[in-house]
Amino acid sequence: AQKVTQAQTEISVVEKEDVTLDCVYETRDTTYYLFWYKQPPSGELVFLIRRNSFDEQNEISGRYSWNFQKSTSSFNFTITASQVVDSAVYFCALRGAGNQFYFGTGTSLTVIP
Amino acid sequence: DAGVIQSPRHEVTEMGQEVTLRCKPISGHNSLFWYRQTMMRGLELLIYFNNNVPIDDSGMPEDRFSAKMPNASFSTLKIQPSEPRDSAVYFCASSFRLVGSDTQYFGPGTRLTVL
Repeated sequence: AQKVTQAQTEISVVEKEDVTLDCVYETRDTTYYLFWYKQPPSGELVFLIRRNSFDEQNEISGRYSWNFQKSTSSFNFTITASQVVDSAVYFCALRGAGNQFYFGTGTSLTVIP
Repeated sequence: DAGVIQSPRHEVTEMGQEVTLRCKPISGHNSLFWYRQTMMRGLELLIYFNNNVPIDDSGMPEDRFSAKMPNASFSTLKIQPSEPRDSAVYFCASSFRLVGSDTQYFGPGTRLTVL
């Protein structure tokens, strides 16, 4: 079975704080892909990152970083020095051997100025 | 390059009416997905196509929903007759189905309200 769990429903932080969004996944496939998407208040879904199961290197893109750990089946997302523009719902997703994506329920992040 | 295009962006209709949502995928993409998003159920995959062929429609709620992809650059999702519980945001996404390169890119969504 394929499943993504985002246990944090809502998070509020004060601007400039760091925040980590958790994502735990389940799959029996040996090859799989993990994704993060951002959904700002305007509603569109914006692709942020894709990782494949063979690449456990952490990734940094500006204030964003991702920590992929197969040992704990986690793919966590950290925003450093958060800004109000980071306020959005963030979705983690998994694709296994098939073509279907499995999305988590999302984490709503509010950055308070 | 143009992203995924959806129309209309907003649709308000009355119960019992037919609703048609449209999607133009990114040029060159060979997979297309229809999702529905509601507060209660989150993002649900309704159906997806590979090379214009429906592969998995198990997410389609019931017979009132149908989807077609007559060519590589156009798809429709039809609801007939519509019901208030169909109110949601409907997203279309496309990807280029190739091992290791299949990120889904989403359209802006159609916000459907059925009165």
